This record gives sequence, structure tokens and C-alpha cells, in this order.
Amino acid sequence: NAGVMQNPRHLVRRRGQEARLRCSPMKGHSHVYWYRQLPEEGLKFMVYLQKENIIDESGMPKERFSAEFPKEGPSILRIQQVVRGDSAAYFCASSKTQETQYFGPGTRLLVL
Amino acid sequence: GQQLNQSPQSMFIQEGEDVSMNCTSSSIFNTWLWYKQDPGEGPVLLIALYKAGELTSNGRLTAQFGITRKDSFLNISASIPSDVGIYFCAGQLEANNLFFGTGTRLTVIP
Repeated sequence: NAGVMQNPRHLVRRRGQEARLRCSPMKGHSHVYWYRQLPEEGLKFMVYLQKENIIDESGMPKERFSAEFPKEGPSILRIQQVVRGDSAAYFCASSKTQETQYFGPGTRLLVL
Repeated sequence: GQQLNQSPQSMFIQEGEDVSMNCTSSSIFNTWLWYKQDPGEGPVLLIALYKAGELTSNGRLTAQFGITRKDSFLNISASIPSDVGIYFCAGQLEANNLFFGTGTRLTVIP
């Protein structure tokens, strides 16, 4: 069984560009969560999605950030007009029910 | 928002020693989880606790869900070099987002 997959693993963007981070949940999992981790800190919740629906986006910045989980295909976290402060590791987790979350390897975003 | 504080922040121990770390919260949780994160990787679930007072083991790992529902501890017995990493506690109130602690960085000296 493949685990949660994220790509790219590393992403470099210049200020003002767009970043698209992809997450494929584990097979049979319909719940997806996105977290952000700054260096030397714990993970901070951003958004929780269930197929085609955003359930909780209380941790998502109000501007420039959006997330989707379409009926077909991976979940996408999109950051428009990136700034240096967006540099972080972004982790996706998935779960079958609303219980145990399994994490992907993360995408390390560096904004120059 | 919920604040989870882990202690100690870092530990240096000799191989074979036992390790104890804990996590305290300003709020109650219904579920406590312990994750381990290796450099450049995502967190890997070690133990999940679902009931106040619950004591659960997974090999050399033992964790407890505090009676007050505001704390949890993790013990590692007879540490080995591959135990090196950052250990995070996480609390879950409702069945959606996790609140992560600040992490305990463990170094095992062979």
C-alpha cells in the first residue's frame, strides 16, 4: 500500500510567483489535511478537506492561499504571489475516517 | 488557540538509557497522539490514545493519556541509535485538525 504522496518534494519560487503543491492521499482515504511547519517548530493546521468540500479552513491565511480536493485527482494547495514568509515545509495528511491521520513526506518551499 | 508545550526541548542520552518526555496543554483534548519526525520527512505516528487515563505500549514505547485530559507522556525504554529524531505530541479535540506540540529533539549517543 502506497502511503501519502506529495510532490514536488522541493520547490523554489521567486517572490510574486505561484506555488502549487500536490497531495495524493492513501488509497481509500477521502479526508485530506494540510499543515505548515516552520523551522524548529511544530506543524500548524491549515485546512481540512473531504472530497470536493472544504470542511475547516480556520488555519488558512485569508489571502493568497487556497486548497481544493477534486473528485478525481490529488488535493492541491495553491499559494499565489508568494512572499519570503511563505518559505516552509508543507505537509499533507490523509485519513479514512475522521481519526488517525497519516502524513506525507512534505514539500519544502523556498521563496527567493 | 490551543498551546501545547513539550519538555524537555532537547535530550542527549547514552544508548541503552530510558527516555521520558511530556506534553501539557492549556485545553483539554479527546485524543492524544505521539509522532516521530526524521529530518526531511513527515511525522510518523507512534502511539494514539483515545481515553483519559489510558496507558498504551508499542514495543519499547509507552504513552499515557493524562486524567485531566490536558497532558500526556511518552517513555522510550532501552534507547537505540535509530530513536534519534524529533518527537511531537498532538492533541485532537474534534475529528479534524491536530494541534502539535513544540517538539522534543532526541540525540542518542552510541
